[in-house]
Amino acid sequence: EDQVTQSPEALRLQEGESSSLNCSYTVSGLRGLFWYRQDPGKGPEFLFTLYSAGEEKEKERLKATLTKKESFLHITAPKPEDSATYLCAVQAYGGSQGNLIFGKGTKLSVKP
Amino acid sequence: EPEVTQTPSHQVTQMGQEVILRCVPISNHLYFYWYRQILGQKVEFLVSFYNNEISEKSEIFDDQFSVERPDGSNFTLKIRSTKLEDSAMYFCASRGGSEQFFGPGTRLTVL
Repeated sequence: EDQVTQSPEALRLQEGESSSLNCSYTVSGLRGLFWYRQDPGKGPEFLFTLYSAGEEKEKERLKATLTKKESFLHITAPKPEDSATYLCAVQAYGGSQGNLIFGKGTKLSVKP
Repeated sequence: EPEVTQTPSHQVTQMGQEVILRCVPISNHLYFYWYRQILGQKVEFLVSFYNNEISEKSEIFDDQFSVERPDGSNFTLKIRSTKLEDSAMYFCASRGGSEQFFGPGTRLTVL
């Protein structure tokens, strides 16, 4: 069964304190791995897509990396506005139109 | 910047009533999806829709659910007879390339 596990469930950082979020996945064949940001009561906001092991994507203070079994979202010198829940999702081969399988997310709090 | 919109933002209904949740996908996208998120739980796939028909559906999407694209812009999710356990956030998403873009959601509360 395809599944996604994210850790930690919650992470509290001080402003400027860099860290990483983990997403491990089990999927029959990976078509793509996606990172989203979700603010309370809002829809997921697209951040990155990764397709193959070794790939990296960067956007401001965020960098996403991918291996054959997991992905990391690195947050460098976070600010309070980075506080949100970060969702990881995979798209597997076999799903006919690309439905996403989500993890539970990591709730990030950044204190000033 | 184009975005997915959803109405209403919050719907309160009585158990057993029918509800219709509405979405306007990004205009040049061809693939449409509904997901739901029960409070405190993960986002779950319900159904995908392409070329005016359902492409794939999950176990959650039973006979009480239906989807429709009644015109060139709207995409709707109907729940025929709501249950308490249907209370959740419902997200519409659309896809042009490989990324899915989500709407802000409709919070459905079934009393």
